[in-house]
Amino acid sequence: GEDVEQSLFLSVREGDSSVINCTYTDSSSTYLYWYKQEPGAGLQLLTYIFSNMDMKQDQRLTVLLNKKDKHLSLRIADTQTGDSAIYFCALGGSNYQLIWGAGTKLIIKP
Amino acid sequence: DSGVTQTPKHLITATGQRVTLRCSPRSGDLSVYWYQQSLDQGLQFLIQYYNGEERAKGNILERFSAQQFPDLHSELNLSSLELGDSALYFCASSSGGGRTEAFFGQGTRLTVV
Repeated sequence: GEDVEQSLFLSVREGDSSVINCTYTDSSSTYLYWYKQEPGAGLQLLTYIFSNMDMKQDQRLTVLLNKKDKHLSLRIADTQTGDSAIYFCALGGSNYQLIWGAGTKLIIKP
Repeated sequence: DSGVTQTPKHLITATGQRVTLRCSPRSGDLSVYWYQQSLDQGLQFLIQYYNGEERAKGNILERFSAQQFPDLHSELNLSSLELGDSALYFCASSSGGGRTEAFFGQGTRLTVV
């Protein structure tokens, strides 16, 4: 079945850019999503990209999709302490299923 | 506010007991998903309902069951609870249409003692 992989941790300095990566095995997903989970909270939909797009920008967030390499990334520009969270990528699979990565914990160093 | 409501927010119960978690989806959403998130672990998909019918099953134990009612709210029943069932339980809803993005509730934190 579909497999989605993410690194478990990413540490960046405040003010730098963060790049969170996600690789997947099945390329049939129509939509690919990024969710953010702050400590003790539910998951919040951050952004998504349609599979026929290569890039989507939304303020400080840039999503890149490389279909050939089956690679999805989320870039957060000018990372702030409020960006500390776990970031999940999710792929819209068949039968309205979401296939989830394990989540990347973003740690901000002052 | 995602529009998805989960109750209760916190629940503490003893081993062997049974609890019911409740979820009200966003207005108009037909699909409800249940997830379990243990400490330091990712999301484990449990089960999905669409318009009252079970659509998909994930890693749901036989001691757990769920249902979706005609008004589209859903309940997750956890029985014969064990210490290892302590976790955050999330409900999410989606429209069930071509886009699959799900909107999450704040979760129910279950502690089994």
